[in-house]
Amino acid sequence: QKEVEQNSGPLSVPEGAIASLNCTYSDRGSQSFFWYRQYSGKSPELIMSIYSNGDKEDGRFTAQLNKASQYVSLLIRDSQPSDSATYLCAVNTRNSGGYQKVTFGTGTKLQVIP
Amino acid sequence: NAGVTQTPKFQVLKTGQSMTLQCAQDMNHNSMYWYRQDPGMGLRLIYYSASEGTTDKGEVPNGYNVSRLNKREFSLRLESAAPSQTSVYFCASSDPFEQYFGPGTRLTVT
Repeated sequence: QKEVEQNSGPLSVPEGAIASLNCTYSDRGSQSFFWYRQYSGKSPELIMSIYSNGDKEDGRFTAQLNKASQYVSLLIRDSQPSDSATYLCAVNTRNSGGYQKVTFGTGTKLQVIP
Repeated sequence: NAGVTQTPKFQVLKTGQSMTLQCAQDMNHNSMYWYRQDPGMGLRLIYYSASEGTTDKGEVPNGYNVSRLNKREFSLRLESAAPSQTSVYFCASSDPFEQYFGPGTRLTVT
């Protein structure tokens, strides 16, 4: 089982719709969760961090965390063509030495159709 | 602030050649990382440095070496390049959890 799993997509949504991106993780000790956006040919850009169960909203983006079910999701409201990118889920755990290990999923490609 | 910078942006090497990828950050972060990204494989950690003076292996360290020159700079060296090392290389820094990435180096080994 992969540590962080995402559907590779592509996920196609019409402009103005809600895009829902999902991620599951295997380590119950995971403490911090991140969403990165990566445009083609560019580097990953941090767009959301979430550390506790529930929802966290930032503009058109909402991150949702459910530690009991071991999933984290990203909702993008009023999707725009400029949101078309690959979205990477990342999960952070601490090892016994206190070092934080971040594991990335392989990403979900989102296509917003005008 | 420039954030995380990487040089060079592009590089073509012949098999067996060596090179060093440079990375610098101006965010005063303690931790720095080197990743490679290949199609369908996602980001894979090569080496990391939790703080100045320390380095540790990540998921795919074979064929690479690193140097944490000071708090700002973290370099990645390929001693004898192989075609399997053709990839996009990203440097990142964090303090403590959220990672910020450089623009990447696209390396081709022929």
